[in-house]
Amino acid sequence: GAVVSQHPSRVICKSGTSVKIECRSLDFQATTMFWYRQFPKQSLMLMATSNEGSKATYEQGVEKDKFLINHASLTLSTLTVTSAHPEDSSFYICSASSTGGGLNEKLFFGSGTQLSVL
Amino acid sequence: LAKTTQPISMDSYEGQEVNITCSHNNIATNDYITWYQQFPSQGPRFIIQGYKTKVTNEVASLFIPADRKSSTLSLPRVSLSDTAVYYCLVGMYSSASKIIFGSGTRLSIRP
Repeated sequence: GAVVSQHPSRVICKSGTSVKIECRSLDFQATTMFWYRQFPKQSLMLMATSNEGSKATYEQGVEKDKFLINHASLTLSTLTVTSAHPEDSSFYICSASSTGGGLNEKLFFGSGTQLSVL
Repeated sequence: LAKTTQPISMDSYEGQEVNITCSHNNIATNDYITWYQQFPSQGPRFIIQGYKTKVTNEVASLFIPADRKSSTLSLPRVSLSDTAVYYCLVGMYSSASKIIFGSGTRLSIRP
């Protein structure tokens, strides 16, 4: 099956620093990638949808200047948490859908990144 | 995507068959039904997908009645390793779609 690689799996940083999370589709081209955050014992919350070569579409309440998303190629999307603060500590997950779309397209997810801001 | 409703949690024992039902009253004609499994500190993993009637793979079965307003994920002979959160998603995925997760069902399997 298709593989989505997400790095790093865990990061601890000091308040005020920026953190970049990478999401790569290893064996397929991902025209669309989704970024989610998840708090303990809660469901995934969609943060933004990114399409290759265009600006990301952010969900209501998600600060686009704080969570910078870049989808420069069909296999790579990055999420940068700028000037991170303790309240940004969360589990971040990316997912990708393959090119062509289709009625029965599946999503493939990365393994997630646990961000802890001290 | 169509809104879905699932039980918040379920408990069962090893070796039992577990059925998790998802309600999706507003499902559209072109919508597919997809189930994902998530373990703690991991991304969700695709389990099964279907459009109507019954679909079976090596992991689970998916039952969809004729009106398609609900679906049931069936896990045969569960083991402790099936303890996870199960999400039901309904929709047609395209570059214009938003993939919104519902609350999911937290399944706990006991020895």
